[in-house]
Amino acid sequence: NAGVTQTPKFRVLKTGQSMTLLCAQDMNHEYMYWYRQDPGMGLRLIHYSVGEGTTAKGEVPDGYNVSRLKKQNFLLGLESAAPSQTSVYFCASSSIRGAEAFFGQGTRLTVV
Amino acid sequence: GENVEQHPSTLSVQEGDSAVIKCTYSDSASNYFPWYKQELGKGPQLIIDIRSNVGEKKDQRIAVTLNKTAKHFSLHITETQPEDSAVYFCAASKGNTPLVFGKGTRLSVIA
Repeated sequence: NAGVTQTPKFRVLKTGQSMTLLCAQDMNHEYMYWYRQDPGMGLRLIHYSVGEGTTAKGEVPDGYNVSRLKKQNFLLGLESAAPSQTSVYFCASSSIRGAEAFFGQGTRLTVV
Repeated sequence: GENVEQHPSTLSVQEGDSAVIKCTYSDSASNYFPWYKQELGKGPQLIIDIRSNVGEKKDQRIAVTLNKTAKHFSLHITETQPEDSAVYFCAASKGNTPLVFGKGTRLSVIA
């Protein structure tokens, strides 16, 4: 079982460039989440989705957009990357909201 | 919204000793409290969880306790081993909201 798969695993961007992070889950989960992890800050929720075609803002949504066109995929976009977006990004999914979340391996993004 | 505080931020113990990590939450409506372990270069993985209708839960060397009145919950690891070295996160949710995480505890088990 693949579980939650994130693509890519590493990326370096220049300030102002755009990119999309892809998250795919094969567990038929309704809920999907994007978190960012920064030293000493724990895991902070960026955006989440409660089902195909839905998205909602989390704690730190500014500078990011998301889309959930298919149930198994959740995309995180950066339209104009900034150095403050240098972080490790984790995607997670759960069968119901507020229950066990399964995490991907993370994407380490550096914006220079 | 919910706020989760986690202490300590770092913890070093001798192999075989016990480790305790404590978390407090702010929203009395929260009813689900998981603990995640994150090894270097990997995503967090659930190790144990507890719901608000239970005061304590054990799984081999790991236990979690919950005090709803005081709004705090703790992770207890007994007979620590080097492979327990990792970053541990607590989290809270009230069932209709995403998990809110603490800032993490880096546990080092010294052989």
